[in-house]
Amino acid sequence: ETVLTQSPDILSLSPGERAALSCRASHSLTSSLAWYQQKPGQAPRLLIYDASNRATDVPARFSGAGSGTDFTLTISSLEPEDSAFYYCQQRSSGPPSFGQGTRLEIK
Amino acid sequence: QVQLQEWGAGLLKPSETLSLTCAVYGGSLSGYYWTWIRQPPGKGLEWIGEINHSGTSTYNPSLKSRVTISVDTLNNQFSLKMTSVTAADTAVYYCAAVWLGGGNCFDPWGRGTLVIVSS
Repeated sequence: ETVLTQSPDILSLSPGERAALSCRASHSLTSSLAWYQQKPGQAPRLLIYDASNRATDVPARFSGAGSGTDFTLTISSLEPEDSAFYYCQQRSSGPPSFGQGTRLEIK
Repeated sequence: QVQLQEWGAGLLKPSETLSLTCAVYGGSLSGYYWTWIRQPPGKGLEWIGEINHSGTSTYNPSLKSRVTISVDTLNNQFSLKMTSVTAADTAVYYCAAVWLGGGNCFDPWGRGTLVIVSS
């Protein structure tokens, strides 16, 4: 079983700042990692797949990078609507699993 | 564009069987893995299991003894059954799709349905 550990647990930033969210895997995933955004009362929304590919209609300020065991989701210039939980997910090493999530607060 | 909608009983007593169905609109069942994921209130996401259009399924080892996922190609839907539920099974249950053409990710998702287990 592959465990995904996200950091930080909570990130509090101001609009216009840059956010970097980390996801570390207990086993190598090559590049097969996805990121999701979840707002209260909503289903998760796919942002990034295969570590660095933006999903349809995802704004260009969201980008993903990494391979192996270390991955990063970057939001280049925060907007108020980016306040949400963010989860990483893998499906290439054992049963699918999710990270515990990072809560992003916009001040 | 594939869309998903899940439904089922929202209130169960301990030891009862949870039963949910997810309808697939705008596409056929082939070419995807069909998945169930849950999220307890205030907590993170847990993969429950998945199935393809042929009926090949895999399950989370921690839930495998209580879970069955089945597919109904006639009605373009798939279902989840979980036996012997407890309060720990209280969660929002989502159905989601994994496109076999690549991405290894869950997209789209249903809106989710809340299941509460309480005596």
